[in-house]
Amino acid sequence: QQPVQSPQAVILREGEDAVINCSSSKALYSVHWYRQKHGEAPVFLMILLKGGEQKGHEKISASFNEKKQQSSLYLTASQLSYSGTYFCGTGGVSYNTDKLIFGTGTRLQVFP
Amino acid sequence: SQTIHQWPATLVQPVGSPLSLECTVEGTSNPNLYWYRQAAGRGLQLLFYSVGIGQISSEVPQNLSASRPQDRQFILSSKKLLLSDSGFYLCAWSVTGTADEKLFFGSGTQLSVL
Repeated sequence: QQPVQSPQAVILREGEDAVINCSSSKALYSVHWYRQKHGEAPVFLMILLKGGEQKGHEKISASFNEKKQQSSLYLTASQLSYSGTYFCGTGGVSYNTDKLIFGTGTRLQVFP
Repeated sequence: SQTIHQWPATLVQPVGSPLSLECTVEGTSNPNLYWYRQAAGRGLQLLFYSVGIGQISSEVPQNLSASRPQDRQFILSSKKLLLSDSGFYLCAWSVTGTADEKLFFGSGTQLSVL
């Protein structure tokens, strides 16, 4: 089942914060986050593997609540470069047996 | 370092024509290879994956097929394109097929079937 992302779209001013959520109806082993600029390939942001694990890269961080079967991506003090569509991918232990399934994406636009 | 090449970047094809998209990976051996499709405004849908030469698994029934004639080459094909085949096609690879590995995506092919 495809994970559900919310919100579908976010508009921010530079410096504002945003949270993107990713929920699954099935138990999760891993959550991936990618960002895609229009017409380009998705770029890897981070992977979370354990329940409660939080990871961060600069001012982008994420949490993984295994019990609630959801993950959240936190964008702090957003920059223009953060604009793009954010995808979560949820999966099991192995891509080949329990496929990585991507959500429909959250479009983020940051304006000056 | 590893790189992934995907071509062509854009393609406009008439309905009923054949299709061949190619993807090659450099700098690694025996990668896991994937084909994804992204319809306009939609998420990434896994079409095929391969764990080795000649080993292809299909995720959804469709008008497309995939082949892996060489270790680092993955080809997406169709004998007769449909309008619904339009979309953004992405090739990706990973070192292994495990959940702690990130996917590396190619630059994509924008396919328009008219």
